[in-house]
Amino acid sequence: AQSVTQLDSHVSVSEGTPVLLRCNYSSSYSPSLFWYVQHPNKGLQLLLKYTSAATLVKGINGFEAEFKKSETSFHLTKPSAHMSDAAEYFCVVVRGGADGLTFGKGTHLIIQP
Amino acid sequence: DAGVIQSPRHEVTEMGQEVTLRCKPISGHDYLFWYRQTMMRGLELLIYFNNNVPIDDSGMPEDRFSAKMPNASFSTLKIQPSEPRDSAVYFCASRQGGGNQPQHFGDGTRLSIL
Repeated sequence: AQSVTQLDSHVSVSEGTPVLLRCNYSSSYSPSLFWYVQHPNKGLQLLLKYTSAATLVKGINGFEAEFKKSETSFHLTKPSAHMSDAAEYFCVVVRGGADGLTFGKGTHLIIQP
Repeated sequence: DAGVIQSPRHEVTEMGQEVTLRCKPISGHDYLFWYRQTMMRGLELLIYFNNNVPIDDSGMPEDRFSAKMPNASFSTLKIQPSEPRDSAVYFCASRQGGGNQPQHFGDGTRLSIL
């Protein structure tokens, strides 16, 4: 079965400093992975997706993620945090043999002024 | 382009009442998903449809929950009778094509059962 583990429930960074949100996955085959962001009282918005093409994936708002098979990781990064990045971030894997998504428990990103 | 539209945005009702949540997917999308989000359990897939046909309802908590998709542009999730433990945010999402394509989410319905 496919699963994802987000290693941090909360991450706090200062505005203008780098962001790292960690995600490890478990899959019996090459997975499709997404990062979604959820702002308060809003639905989930796709940041980026990995589907076995380039291992470094660029997304919206300056975010990117690198798929590392040897480490079974798909960490999300951004060089410089902005106040508007404060939100909940979800690492997601596509379920094998089905069409639903399996969500990580989320990482709450806090941006300090 | 209009995204996934859900209504109502907020619903407060007393236990025992029937609740109906509505969703309009993005035009042209052939998959529709219903999720529930709570602090305790996170995001859970309840049911999904492909071309208006329910494919997997194994996530539906119990018989009090039912979902329909009478046409490609409309779906409902109904709870009857409602209970306080049904309080959650319910999301609808739609997708065009296979599982590697991203799902597009509505803004959700925040449901409170008193």
